[in-house]
Amino acid sequence: AQSVTQPDIHITVSEGASLELRCNYSYGATPYLFWYVQSPGQGLQLLLKYFSGDTLVQGIKGFEAEFKRSQSSFNLRKPSVHWSDAAEYFCAVGANNNAGNMLTFGGGTRLMVKP
Amino acid sequence: DGGITQSPKYLFRKEGQNVTLSCEQNLNHDAMYWYRQDPGQGLRLIYYSQIVNDFQKGDIAEGYSVSREKKESFPLTVTSAQKNPTAFYLCASSIAGGYGYTFGSGTRLTVV
Repeated sequence: AQSVTQPDIHITVSEGASLELRCNYSYGATPYLFWYVQSPGQGLQLLLKYFSGDTLVQGIKGFEAEFKRSQSSFNLRKPSVHWSDAAEYFCAVGANNNAGNMLTFGGGTRLMVKP
Repeated sequence: DGGITQSPKYLFRKEGQNVTLSCEQNLNHDAMYWYRQDPGQGLRLIYYSQIVNDFQKGDIAEGYSVSREKKESFPLTVTSAQKNPTAFYLCASSIAGGYGYTFGSGTRLTVV
């Protein structure tokens, strides 16, 4: 079965600094990978996704992620963080099983931004 | 605008009572999902439905029940058998065979 690990539960960065959120997955085949963002008390919004092709994926709000098969990773990056980026971020892997296409989520990383 | 609506946003329940959380979508999506979110545990799948009148248990279905009588609606009932129901509940939908989930804004359930 597939799984996703986000090693960092909390991360604090200064506004304007660069950001990298780590995500490692376990899946036997080529994965479909996703990053979602959740503001407090809200649902999840899709930031970006990787299905195939170019391993560097651009998303909304200036985020990007790089798929590295050799490291089973799909880390999320942003060159300059804004205070509005403070939120919780979830990495997910999609897999097809007998019941259809399902997403498995990591435990999330809470990002705090210092002024 | 198309979207997915969860209601109510906040819900309080006395111990021993059943309570139903509403989830409605107008995206014409075939598949719908219920997740439970607890601090530090990410999202855990409770139930999902790929088509009307059919649904499957997820990883933590005990103490919950669902129905899927209409394509647009996928209500979740938290029964008195759920030992620790206080949590944030998220509903999502997607096209058949798709991974692009659209999420509702969630319902926070508190047992008092």
